[in-house]
Amino acid sequence: QVQLQESGPGLVKPSQTLSLTCTVSGGSISSGSYYWSWIRQPAGKGLEWIGRIYTSGSTNYNPSLKSRVTISVDTSKNQFSLKLSSVTAADTAVYYCARDVPNGDYFDYWGQGTLVTVSS
Amino acid sequence: QSVLTQPPSVSGAPGQRVTISCTGSSSNIGAGYDVHWYQQLPGTAPKLLIYGNSNRPSGVPDRFSGSKSGTSASLAITGLQAEDEADYYCQSYDSSLAVFGGGTKLTVL
Repeated sequence: QVQLQESGPGLVKPSQTLSLTCTVSGGSISSGSYYWSWIRQPAGKGLEWIGRIYTSGSTNYNPSLKSRVTISVDTSKNQFSLKLSSVTAADTAVYYCARDVPNGDYFDYWGQGTLVTVSS
Repeated sequence: QSVLTQPPSVSGAPGQRVTISCTGSSSNIGAGYDVHWYQQLPGTAPKLLIYGNSNRPSGVPDRFSGSKSGTSASLAITGLQAEDEADYYCQSYDSSLAVFGGGTKLTVL
């Protein structure tokens, strides 16, 4: 059973960079032809896809966030990471990592989510 | 404003059948991209409920079913149970990015 777990600071100051890591267990991040995605959800609102990475390192980003987002992968640690720069209060949300099934583009496994608050 | 449109809320009594619609456009659902559905119980992460328009992952009761036609899709829940009270989201693909509906809150009366 694949499990994902987000980790990182719960509080980030405005204009700084939000950094989160997702640790995958129960299987190798490199096995199978999966993408690995980040999705966020502001309190009381819907889901927004941020972007994804393949274990080769190729990435796709949401155009609305592309200028501020970097997703990377460390296969040796079975982890992938999110960096979001120049954050504002609008970036306050629960951030989820998820496994992205290609040729269908749906998310079959999700982390429990981590709340990141942007505030001084 | 979400790319995919869902009703904000639906409700039904235990044992009844409810449906949740998801309306897209010619650039996403109408372009042939599959629709997927997620259930989000209060305070938890979304859980895959239906994938590929009408397929259920292992462990999802057959009370849940999905369909797609044209630029829209629907999630049907039969034999409504109190534990089905949750937020439901549809998801598809559009212009190289995953897109979600705004979510529908299901209340079991």
